[in-house]
Amino acid sequence: AQKVTQAQTEISVVEKEDVTLDCVYETRDTTYYLFWYKQPPSGELVFLIRRNSFDEQNEISGRYSWNFQKSTSSFNFTITASQVVDSAVYFCALNDLYGGATNKLIFGTGTLLAVQP
Amino acid sequence: EAGVAQSPRYKIIEKRQSVAFWCNPISGHATLYWYQQILGQGPKLLIQFQNNGVVDDSQLPKDRFSAERLKGVDSTLKIQPAKLEDSAVYLCASSLQGAVYGYTFGSGTRLTVV
Repeated sequence: AQKVTQAQTEISVVEKEDVTLDCVYETRDTTYYLFWYKQPPSGELVFLIRRNSFDEQNEISGRYSWNFQKSTSSFNFTITASQVVDSAVYFCALNDLYGGATNKLIFGTGTLLAVQP
Repeated sequence: EAGVAQSPRYKIIEKRQSVAFWCNPISGHATLYWYQQILGQGPKLLIQFQNNGVVDDSQLPKDRFSAERLKGVDSTLKIQPAKLEDSAVYLCASSLQGAVYGYTFGSGTRLTVV
């Protein structure tokens, strides 16, 4: 069955520290997409990145970077030099294409990141 | 480009009452999703529409929840009667073509059932 696991429930760091959020997924599909979303206290889900299963290149966007490893079914997210504004809940999600009929997202339980000044 | 619009932003009702949420997706997005996010959990899909047809409603508690998407644009999600465990944020999302083009989420409706 398709599943996303975010084992870290809460992480607390001090500003300027680097932090890595872990994501492990399970899927029977050979073609799939992985996502990261940020959910600040205001509640909206903010899209951060989408990666398809054929592209294992790591990606860097400013202070954000993502490490995708199919061998370990992981898609980890690192924030470098964290800032207070990074405080939020972060969700990893998997696009479920199994059966071909749907394109729904399956979310992990989220990691609450608290960045202390 | 306007985002996904949802209303109301907040709603408090008593158990056994009914409530309705409205969603207006991004123009041209054929696929519309309703997710339920209970506090401390990730969003869970309730129902998915492709244009005005239902693609997946396997997780929708059909004895109390209903949804429609008339004319393949706006959508309404209704709960009748509400239970305490329905307290959650209800998120609407739309997509041009699923994961290939990504998903856009609305700000959600926070429902509290007392």
